[in-house]
Amino acid sequence: KQEVTQIPAALSVPEGENLVLNCSFTDSAIYNLQWFRQDPGKGLTSLLLIQSSQREQTSGRLNASLDKSSGRSTLYIAASQPGDSATYLCAVKSAPTSGTYKYIFGTGTRLKVLA
Amino acid sequence: DTGVSQDPRHKITKRGQNVTFRCDPISEHNRLYWYRQTLGQGPEFLTYFQNEAQLEKSRLLSDRFSAERPKGSFSTLEIQRTEQGDSAMYLCASSPDRGLADTQYFGPGTRLTVL
Repeated sequence: KQEVTQIPAALSVPEGENLVLNCSFTDSAIYNLQWFRQDPGKGLTSLLLIQSSQREQTSGRLNASLDKSSGRSTLYIAASQPGDSATYLCAVKSAPTSGTYKYIFGTGTRLKVLA
Repeated sequence: DTGVSQDPRHKITKRGQNVTFRCDPISEHNRLYWYRQTLGQGPEFLTYFQNEAQLEKSRLLSDRFSAERPKGSFSTLEIQRTEQGDSAMYLCASSPDRGLADTQYFGPGTRLTVL
């Protein structure tokens, strides 16, 4: 059974710092991995999607890497800003046991960037 | 393309009442998913539709829960005889039918509070 873990659970940093969020998964047979952002009380916004054949994806100040064999992904945020404050969720799409391509989510990292 | 929409955004109900939520996916998206998210946790898969066919239901979906997608467009999720443990954010997502590489687009969610 696929399990996704995110470390740290919460993080508070001063504005301008570069930071790394970690995601690990137990079953390396994944199709893709996606990072989401969730603001309090809101839905999910997709940040980056990495297919299983890819090693990393970049969008602006965000860079996500994937090491499928070791079951790890990192989300790197450069030059953090107060507007980056949110919960960041990692989700993996695993080989379906029942034909359903659902995502398995981690519990998230709550990020607070201090001005 | 207006994105995935959900209605209502918030619902407060008394224990024992029935509630129904609606999800309108992105047009022409064949796949539709329902997830449930409790406070401090990542979303958990509830059920999946391919067009109008409900192809998988999680064991989280007790017999008090029923979901439909009658014409392969919008979907409804009904909870009968609500319990306080049903309080959560209910998220809907949709994706095009592009095999394993598709990403899921999430709606803003419906927050349910059962008193």
